[in-house]
Amino acid sequence: NAGVTQTPKFQVLKTGQSMTLQCAQDMNHEYMSWYRQDPGMGLRLIHYSVGAGITDQGEVPNGYNVSRSTTEDFPLRLLSAAPSQTSVYFCASSPQPGGNQPQHFGDGTRLSIL
Amino acid sequence: AQSVTQPDIHITVSEGASLELRCNYSYGATPYLFWYVQSPGQGLQLLLKYFSGDTLVQGIKGFEAEFKRSQSSFNLRKPSVHWSDAAEYFCAVGAKGYSTLTFGKGTMLLVSP
Repeated sequence: NAGVTQTPKFQVLKTGQSMTLQCAQDMNHEYMSWYRQDPGMGLRLIHYSVGAGITDQGEVPNGYNVSRSTTEDFPLRLLSAAPSQTSVYFCASSPQPGGNQPQHFGDGTRLSIL
Repeated sequence: AQSVTQPDIHITVSEGASLELRCNYSYGATPYLFWYVQSPGQGLQLLLKYFSGDTLVQGIKGFEAEFKRSQSSFNLRKPSVHWSDAAEYFCAVGAKGYSTLTFGKGTMLLVSP
C-alpha cells in the first residue's frame, strides 16, 4: 500500500534547466495537487486536478506546468528553473475534490536551483 | 475565500506539560477544519478533522481540538506532551463549493527535557 509516491526525493538543478517532478498514487483518488513549502510561508498550492484531463491553477502557478493523463499520475514540470523555485514540493491526493476531503501527502521532493 | 492564521511561529513546551496550538480561520459559513503534523523530512499526516456536530474532536496520538464558532478558532490540544511530538503543525480550512484546502503557515513545536 504505497499511497502517494514522489520521485526524486532530492534534486539539484542549474538555472534554466527543465525538470519533471513525478507523483503517483495507487488509491484511485480523483483529486491531486501540488504544493510548495518554503520557510515561514506554509504550504502554497501550485496546481491541482479534479480528475483525469482536468487541471487548474492554484495560488502560485507561474513557472510550472501540469497535466493529468491518467488517474494515477500528476507530474509537475519546471520549464526553466529559477533560484526562486528552490523549495520542497509536496504532492497530495484525496478521494474526491472538495473542502471536506483530507489530503494524503507524499514525502516530498527537495529541489535546489543553483 | 477562506484563510487561516496560526499566530505562533514557534512554541516550546516542557515534556509532560500540556499543549495548546492556536488556529484562527476566516470563512463566512461553517468551515471544514483540519490539523496536520509534519515530522522533519516527512510529508504531512492528518491528526484530526472537524466537519460538523460535536465541537470537540479527538484525533490520533492523543490530540484533540475544539471548534469555537464565536471565536473563529480551532485550537489543538494535548494534555501531556512527549518528546516525539516535536514537529511542525499545520491548521487547514476547506469550504463547501471549493476544491482546495488553505493551509496556515505552521507552528513549530519544540519539546524541552
